Amino acid sequence: AQRVTQPEKLLSVFKGAPVELKCNYSYSGSPELFWYVQYSRQRLQLLLRHISRESIKGFTADLNKGETSFHLKKPFAQEEDSAMYYCALKRVGNTPLVFGKGTRLSVIA
Amino acid sequence: NAGVTQTPKFRVLKTGQSMTLLCAQDMNHEYMYWYRQDPGMGLRLIHYSVGEGTTAKGEVPDGYNVSRLKKQNFLLGLESAAPSQTSVYFCASLLAGGYNEQFFGPGTRLTVL
Repeated sequence: AQRVTQPEKLLSVFKGAPVELKCNYSYSGSPELFWYVQYSRQRLQLLLRHISRESIKGFTADLNKGETSFHLKKPFAQEEDSAMYYCALKRVGNTPLVFGKGTRLSVIA
Repeated sequence: NAGVTQTPKFRVLKTGQSMTLLCAQDMNHEYMYWYRQDPGMGLRLIHYSVGEGTTAKGEVPDGYNVSRLKKQNFLLGLESAAPSQTSVYFCASLLAGGYNEQFFGPGTRLTVL
């Protein structure tokens, strides 16, 4: 079965420090990987997807098929980055996303 | 374009009461989903629909029913609410094909006493 693991429930970093939110997955096929972000009391919104290979709000994520990981990184954390971050996996075809349990990022001034 | 909307935003029920949550999307998306969000559990899929008139069970379907009579609407029903169904419920929709973004509604906060 497909599974997404986010090992950290809470990650606290100081403003300006590098951030890495970990995501590991288990899936035998070729997955589509996403990061969604949820700011306080707001809806989830897409942050980035591996297929786009883009940087959004300074965040990047690289799919590492050998390590089955899709870690989210940012070199310098900002206070406005404080939010809940969910890693999600989509199997081949239009199947529902499988979400990890989320990591709450807290950026301390 | 309103995107994905949900009604109501908040609701308090007593154990045993019933209610229906409405999700509507104006993006002509084929796929629609209902999730519940609980602390430490992340997002868990309740039911989903791949088109008008079709529904399927997700990870945690027990105690819920759904209907997709119209393409733009996806209803989530609780026939006999239980305190374990206290949660925040999110609806989402997705355009079929390709690497499309799944859009979420603003959520419904439900408390069952």
